[in-house]
Amino acid sequence: GQQVMQIPQYQHVQEGEDFTTYCNSSTTLSNIQWYKQRPGGHPVFLIQLVKSGEVKKQKRLTFQFGEAKKNSSLHITATQTTDVGTYFCAGGTSYGKLTFGQGTILTVHP
Amino acid sequence: GAVVSQHPSRVICKSGTSVKIECRSLDFQATTMFWYRQFPKQSLMLMATSNEGSKATYEQGVEKDKFLINHASLTLSTLTVTSAHPEDSSFYICSVRVGNQPQHFGDGTRLSIL
Repeated sequence: GQQVMQIPQYQHVQEGEDFTTYCNSSTTLSNIQWYKQRPGGHPVFLIQLVKSGEVKKQKRLTFQFGEAKKNSSLHITATQTTDVGTYFCAGGTSYGKLTFGQGTILTVHP
Repeated sequence: GAVVSQHPSRVICKSGTSVKIECRSLDFQATTMFWYRQFPKQSLMLMATSNEGSKATYEQGVEKDKFLINHASLTLSTLTVTSAHPEDSSFYICSVRVGNQPQHFGDGTRLSIL
């Protein structure tokens, strides 16, 4: 079945440093979605990428979808303590099924 | 406002008890809902796809007799964990799919079996 690999598993940064997490799918995706989950909370939708090579920005967050629609990345510029949490990518199929990556736990030291 | 309402948010019960979790779509008619399970510090794993008016589709390794899913209306899906045991303790989350839009997630149910 479809597998979505996400690295790194953990990332510790100093406040102000950049952060990137990467996702790789075993199959071509219809879309890729990114979520953020705080400890004890539920996943919060950040963005969906649909087009090959698509790049979207949300303030300090930059999301990319690979040309082959099999990989994606999330980059945070100048991290802040409010960025802490677990970031998940989720590969979507045309019929709506999502396969989540393992997640990257981000900690930011002030 | 919330699109998906999941209830209860937390359950603590004894081993052997059956627990029902409700997932309601508040603003949309949802022919498809998804149920996920998340163990501590792990990712969300899709358990099953709930289809209104028909049987749920379970992922490989998920026991259909253990996790009963009922999707009797366009706004409600229920997940019943039958004869729950400590290893069933987890965070259960439902989501609603509306057209081609990203899924809307409920707040989750934290289940603790003693």
